[in-house]
Amino acid sequence: GAVVSQHPSRVICKSGTSVKIECRSLDFQATTMFWYRQFPKQSLMLMATSNEGSKATYEQGVEKDKFLINHASLTLSTLTVTSAHPEDSSFYICSARDVRSSYNEQFFGPGTRLTVL
Amino acid sequence: KNQVEQSPQSLIILEGKNCTLQCNYTVSPFSNLRWYKQDTGRGPVSLTIMTFSENTKSNGRYTATLDADTKQSSLHITASQLSDSASYICVVSGNNAGNMLTFGGGTRLMVKP
Repeated sequence: GAVVSQHPSRVICKSGTSVKIECRSLDFQATTMFWYRQFPKQSLMLMATSNEGSKATYEQGVEKDKFLINHASLTLSTLTVTSAHPEDSSFYICSARDVRSSYNEQFFGPGTRLTVL
Repeated sequence: KNQVEQSPQSLIILEGKNCTLQCNYTVSPFSNLRWYKQDTGRGPVSLTIMTFSENTKSNGRYTATLDADTKQSSLHITASQLSDSASYICVVSGNNAGNMLTFGGGTRLMVKP
C-alpha cells in the first residue's frame, strides 16, 4: 500500500531558528502533497497544497514567507518553518495524493512534533 | 460553507462493548466520505472510504454507513479493544477541482478495561 514518511518525527529548536521537515511518498509518485498542522485536541488544518514543479498554494491566514514549501520531485516535499517562535509549536502532518487510487486518496505521514523553546 | 460535524466529541466505553460515532456533512458537490483513525502523536490512518452509491463498508470490526440523502454517516465499532482508543475523524471529499478535503473535529474514544 501507499506509504508516506516524514522526517524528523520530533524536533526541538530555539526561537528564531529555522526548521525543515521532509515528506516523502515511498512507493508512489505524488504530484500533489499537502501540509497540515494540528493543535492539541483539534482536527487537522490545511496549511498549503504543494504541487510538484510549481509554487505552493497557501490557505488564507498562512504566511507563505514563514512556511516555505518546496516540492522539487515527485516523491519529496519539504516544509521549512523560518524564524520559528513558540506559537509555531504544533504537530505538522503531510499527506500525498495517490492518483492511482480511484478515490484520489490522500495518504498521511506519521507527523512531526515541533517544539519551539 | 462546507462543514463536517461529528458527535460525540468524546466517548468512554468499556472494553468489549460496541459504540457508534456520528458524522453529518454539508459538503457539496460530494465525492466521497472517509473515516480515519488517529492515534495520539501519529498521522491519520484510513479505515473506510465510501462514495455516494455505497451504503455500508466494513473493515474488520469497523463498519461505516452512509446516507447520501440525509448527508449522514456513522462508524460502528464492534467488540472494542483497548487499542481502539484514538481519535476518529470523518473527512468528506468534494467533487471539485482539487478534490479538497473537509475535516470533522473528530471523536476521541477511550476504551477502558
